[in-house]
Amino acid sequence: SQKIEQNSEALNIQEGKTATLTCNYTNYSPAYLQWYRQDPGRGPVFLLLIRENEKEKRKERLKVTFDTTLKQSLFHITASQPADSATYLCALDRYNQGGKLIFGQGTELSVKP
Amino acid sequence: EPEVTQTPSHQVTQMGQEVILRCVPISNHLYFYWYRQILGQKVEFLVSFYNNEISEKSEIFDDQFSVERPDGSNFTLKIRSTKLEDSAMYFCASSVGADTQYFGPGTRLTVL
Repeated sequence: SQKIEQNSEALNIQEGKTATLTCNYTNYSPAYLQWYRQDPGRGPVFLLLIRENEKEKRKERLKVTFDTTLKQSLFHITASQPADSATYLCALDRYNQGGKLIFGQGTELSVKP
Repeated sequence: EPEVTQTPSHQVTQMGQEVILRCVPISNHLYFYWYRQILGQKVEFLVSFYNNEISEKSEIFDDQFSVERPDGSNFTLKIRSTKLEDSAMYFCASSVGADTQYFGPGTRLTVL
């Protein structure tokens, strides 16, 4: 069956460092991979989308890589700030599935001042 | 910036009762979705809706669930006879195409 795994343990880093979060998947061939941020009790907030034919995408302090051979995406936040503390979700999508997103369980990031 | 809105923010109901959760998607979006998240668990897809019909639904979305776009702005999720295990956060989302989805703040459904 399809499986998406993210770092199960919370990630604690110091302000100013780079946070790297991992998303691995099996038994799936996604067309897109998306990263969302979720704060407690709130809805997911879209951050970045990367397509199957793209290796890397950047937006301000965020960078996503996508390796379809390794079946892995890495999500980087550079120069991290306490305000970046949240749970980060990866989600996969395929063509012709009506936009159905399959989410990972999320990785909780805590950035300490 | 346009946002997806959802009402109510919190709904408490008795087991067996019907509930309707309401969403107003972003106005120029064409695809609409419902997801749910049981406390401490993953966000799970329920259903997607495009061109006034269901495009895709999950195993969770059984005969107890239905969706409707009653007018040009609202998108609703109805649960006919709620069960204890329906207690969750329900998120509505919308998108222009079938890719980047924008989520609402959610409705917390508590079934007693």
